[in-house]
Amino acid sequence: KAGVTQTPRYLIKTRGQQVTLSCSPISGHRSVSWYQQTPGQGLQFLFEYFSETQRNKGNFPGRFSGRQFSNSRSEMNVSTLELGDSALYLCASSWSGTVNTEAFFGQGTRLTVV
Amino acid sequence: DAKTTQPPSMDCAEGRAANLPCNHSTISGNEYVYWYRQIHSQGPQYIIHGLKNNETNEMASLIITEDRKSSTLILPHATLRDTAVYYCIVRGQAAGNKLTFGGGTRVLVKP
Repeated sequence: KAGVTQTPRYLIKTRGQQVTLSCSPISGHRSVSWYQQTPGQGLQFLFEYFSETQRNKGNFPGRFSGRQFSNSRSEMNVSTLELGDSALYLCASSWSGTVNTEAFFGQGTRLTVV
Repeated sequence: DAKTTQPPSMDCAEGRAANLPCNHSTISGNEYVYWYRQIHSQGPQYIIHGLKNNETNEMASLIITEDRKSSTLILPHATLRDTAVYYCIVRGQAAGNKLTFGGGTRVLVKP
């Protein structure tokens, strides 16, 4: 069974540009969550999607957005990139997202903003 | 979700058991204890989770105290590949799929 796949693995963007990251969950998983990891702030929750609906959201500005498609694949978008958006972006998928179901992470997309 | 407290770092010898403590004194009755680890710059890896009974799988054992205010993750025979940051997370139903990561414990397995 394939794991969580994130593309691309590495990305370099210029300040002010926008970027779209993709996450393909484990087959059958309907919940996808996104996290940002930086050396200063650690791992922080961005948002969660379940059956194409955003179910939970972290404390990030509106420049960070996401969506989920009918096949459960998810994308996150960051507009008007800032230098501080440089981070490892991780997505995690789980079957239902309930408290007793584990979430599995992808290898992440490392975004560098210059 | 309840807050967790973990030691920032610990060393252990290869081949010996590694016992990683976690304090979660404000845990409520329906909150689970989850453990993940992250090997340098990779995505976090799920290890184990439990509610109140001790749990064991092929990777580790989870011992939760009777009052549920603390737990210990046990890696029975640590290898160099177990060097990682280990995160103890308390997760309740209200959080859905949201995992709140703290600083974790940086474990260094030494030969």
